[in-house]
Amino acid sequence: GAGVSQSPRYKVAKRGQDVALRCDPISGHVSLFWYQQALGQGPEFLTYFQNEAQLDKSGLPSDRFFAERPEGSVSTLKIQRTQQEDSAVYLCASSSTGPSAGYGYTFGSGTRLTVV
Amino acid sequence: DAKTTQPTSMDCAEGRAANLPCNHSTISGNEYVYWYRQIHSQGPQYIIHGLKNNETNEMASLIITEDRKSSTLILPHATLRDTAVYYCIVRVESGGSNYKLTFGKGTLLTVNP
Repeated sequence: GAGVSQSPRYKVAKRGQDVALRCDPISGHVSLFWYQQALGQGPEFLTYFQNEAQLDKSGLPSDRFFAERPEGSVSTLKIQRTQQEDSAVYLCASSSTGPSAGYGYTFGSGTRLTVV
Repeated sequence: DAKTTQPTSMDCAEGRAANLPCNHSTISGNEYVYWYRQIHSQGPQYIIHGLKNNETNEMASLIITEDRKSSTLILPHATLRDTAVYYCIVRVESGGSNYKLTFGKGTLLTVNP
């Protein structure tokens, strides 16, 4: 596709429910990133993939968060036993210019997760 | 990465130039200045970046002071669609684990009719 696609656009989950958020990066993009954006704050890094390899997951807030990219294209961010503090917009970005070039990122529109 | 300081909000009249400042007094010699913006309900969008020379592209101009301790993003003819949060980010271009973008709270620019 022309851009990074994320689904669902909105997700309401009851506390304790598991959720899965999908990211379709731009075709051919090797690098894929997940960011979390709380209300009124800037996005914060969660994790980074190079192809199917998860090279950095230092930003994941807890072991309830899990991300995968099994075939090096589509990625899924899974949150188990959701808590109210997980409510945020989850952004996915992909890059073709290599992970070190800060100008090559294309972000999706995000998934807004609300935990009630 | 060096810390940046931006005003919380700014207003600009449609058709006028919008000048968004950013202070980065602790910037290192190998750190670049990047600008991203985030329109409501969208993901961040890259605008421009530079090291020490002024830069211009189809979206904006970036003016970096000679001592590199501050910079200004200029939107020459702001439109209503430029209303967004603008983030100034300072980071090393390559090497190590520099793939992360560290966003602050940015500046909310409101372009008024």
